[in-house]
Amino acid sequence: EVQLVESGGGLVLPGGSLRLSCAASGFSFSGYWMHWVRQAPGKGLVWVSRINHDATGTIYADSVKGRFTISRDNAENTVHLQMTSLRAEDAAVYYCARGGSGYSLDVWGQGTTVIVSS
Amino acid sequence: DIQMTQSPSSLSASVGDRVTITCRSSMTISNYLNWYQQKPGKAPKLLIYTASTLQSGVPSRFSGSGSGTYFTLTITSLQPEDFATYYCQQSYINWTFGQGTKVEFK
Repeated sequence: EVQLVESGGGLVLPGGSLRLSCAASGFSFSGYWMHWVRQAPGKGLVWVSRINHDATGTIYADSVKGRFTISRDNAENTVHLQMTSLRAEDAAVYYCARGGSGYSLDVWGQGTTVIVSS
Repeated sequence: DIQMTQSPSSLSASVGDRVTITCRSSMTISNYLNWYQQKPGKAPKLLIYTASTLQSGVPSRFSGSGSGTYFTLTITSLQPEDFATYYCQQSYINWTFGQGTKVEFK
């Protein structure tokens, strides 16, 4: 079964850091781009970042550029999102997703919740 | 950045109704347009990619059309499990989602 499982969410102080992880299984992980997408409470979906299959290319939304870093470990079938200088507006459910045909996002994890509050 | 605008933001419908949601992009995106369904507390699910290609396992009552800057998602006969929020997304330059359309029970 193709599956993505996120972890690492939690409560963090403004200005703090957090590292999210996404464990992939059931498919050839090293052959796929991977993405992070977030959703603030009661709001819509916002794309955050993408990493290509061999980690040679990364892209970020302007809202997180310079603060977030996406990385992957193809040996461990894992993608990470290192988040620093966190702000209240970064609070959201963070989903990892697999890049699919037509540059769609065809497989999604269940999400991990990040709360930024003092 | 490419902006995506969906309409309506919400709609009320009954089981069996034909429902159409529109999505417009701020610049031409060819057919790099995807549609997702999200139910409360759940992850989004890919329905349609490249404007009109049905994702494997998605019922044929869902269809998509359009190119350039104007796109539609149609559900031909709304089923109880289709009450959800639907998002369009462009993948022509990076990725941008529309604001969502909530399909509610009338």
